[in-house]
Amino acid sequence: QSVLTQPPSVSGAPGQRVTISCTGSSSNIGAGYDVHWYQQLPGTAPKLLIYGNSNRPSGVPDRFSGSKSGTSASLAITGLQAEDEADYYCQSYDSSLSGSLVFGGGTKLTVL
Amino acid sequence: EVQLVQSGAEVKKPGESLKISCKGSGYSFTSYWIGWVRQMPGKGLEWMGIIYPGDSDTRYSPSFQGQVTISADKSISTAYLQWSSLKASDTAMYYCARSVGWINWFDPWGQGTLVTVSS
Repeated sequence: QSVLTQPPSVSGAPGQRVTISCTGSSSNIGAGYDVHWYQQLPGTAPKLLIYGNSNRPSGVPDRFSGSKSGTSASLAITGLQAEDEADYYCQSYDSSLSGSLVFGGGTKLTVL
Repeated sequence: EVQLVQSGAEVKKPGESLKISCKGSGYSFTSYWIGWVRQMPGKGLEWMGIIYPGDSDTRYSPSFQGQVTISADKSISTAYLQWSSLKASDTAMYYCARSVGWINWFDPWGQGTLVTVSS
């Protein structure tokens, strides 16, 4: 059971917009700690997609965007492409139990 | 180019010890944290712990405290993850990744080291 909750799967057709939610609590996202997002393509290492809630590293297309509100965060992908099919993970810091970095359980994005 | 290169895949028996490595290049190794993340087969990412090679300050996830040891040798820009007695349940892919601060994001990531523990 992950401290950060993500839907196990989402899907969308090419060109569509999808969102992936990441729900936390008052000891992590709700306490003001930043949320970061990673993309893991099949058989590869995770790659940073969004940092500090809504910032894109250089090289990440602007089709990817992040937001945060209250105890939740979201990753939005617009203009869905076949190569976006991957697992997506959110990450934050949790101040309970002497502090720990935490990941969401991951969301499998399927491009129909 | 900032890179983290991990040691190769390992096959071990239960009870054996193991130390895997993560070598940083293209940046000041002592100025960034290096974290370790476990991914069991078909499962998600789990944060294990993190070290600041500059002064060896180390933090562990409560789930992994006492189960593994994280260390670093700044003279050769290399971080390590080690086990004293492996279990079958340690079978997983292990990633190292760089962070600007111990509660911050990870970028970049190493390519991963697959550890298989089987009798």
